Amino acid sequence: AQSVTQLDSQVPVFEEAPVELRCNYSSSVSVYLFWYVQYPNQGLQLLLKYLSGSTLVESINGFEAEFNKSQTSFHLRKPSVHISDTAEYFCAVTTGWGKLQFGAGTQVVVTP
Amino acid sequence: DTGVSQDPRHKITKRGQNVTFRCDPISEHNRLYWYRQTLGQGPEFLTYFQNEAQLEKSRLLSDRFSAERPKGSFSTLEIQRTEQGDSAMYLCASSLVRAPSSYEQYFGPGTRLTVT
Repeated sequence: AQSVTQLDSQVPVFEEAPVELRCNYSSSVSVYLFWYVQYPNQGLQLLLKYLSGSTLVESINGFEAEFNKSQTSFHLRKPSVHISDTAEYFCAVTTGWGKLQFGAGTQVVVTP
Repeated sequence: DTGVSQDPRHKITKRGQNVTFRCDPISEHNRLYWYRQTLGQGPEFLTYFQNEAQLEKSRLLSDRFSAERPKGSFSTLEIQRTEQGDSAMYLCASSLVRAPSSYEQYFGPGTRLTVT
């Protein structure tokens, strides 16, 4: 079985400041890792994913995440946030085509 | 719009009533998943289908819950004798199993259930 821990339930951040959202996982087998974003009253949208290869993955809107196998982490970062980045962010893992195991989420609140 | 759709978006029901939700996946996707999300928590897996076959069910899916995907296209999730603890957002997702794999699941907007 896998588990996902998101270490921060809420992260307040000022506009144009950097942000890091922490995600740790545990699994006895290899996993694939994802970050999803959820805006109010909407479903989840994929932000980025790690399947294999380069441990640093990037999204089109400036987010990046680094897979660290030794520390079993997949932290999400953005060097400069916008007001529109206010949302809830979920880290998730899967061993393949089955279920996703999600963390509890991190609420990012960006203020001017 | 060719994304995953869910109907209704909101449902308010009285305790003890039955409710049914519908999910229409992306048309060529052969896998369909149901998740439940309660306030302040991440989505929790309920069940998934490959075409019309239900391949896995979570322990969260009690006897009062039943899901179907009769023709391998849309799916329904029924809750019988609803309880207040069933109040949650019910999310549907779909994916296309193929090689090479991306393992990505595409989510619908969800159905928010409130049991009074």
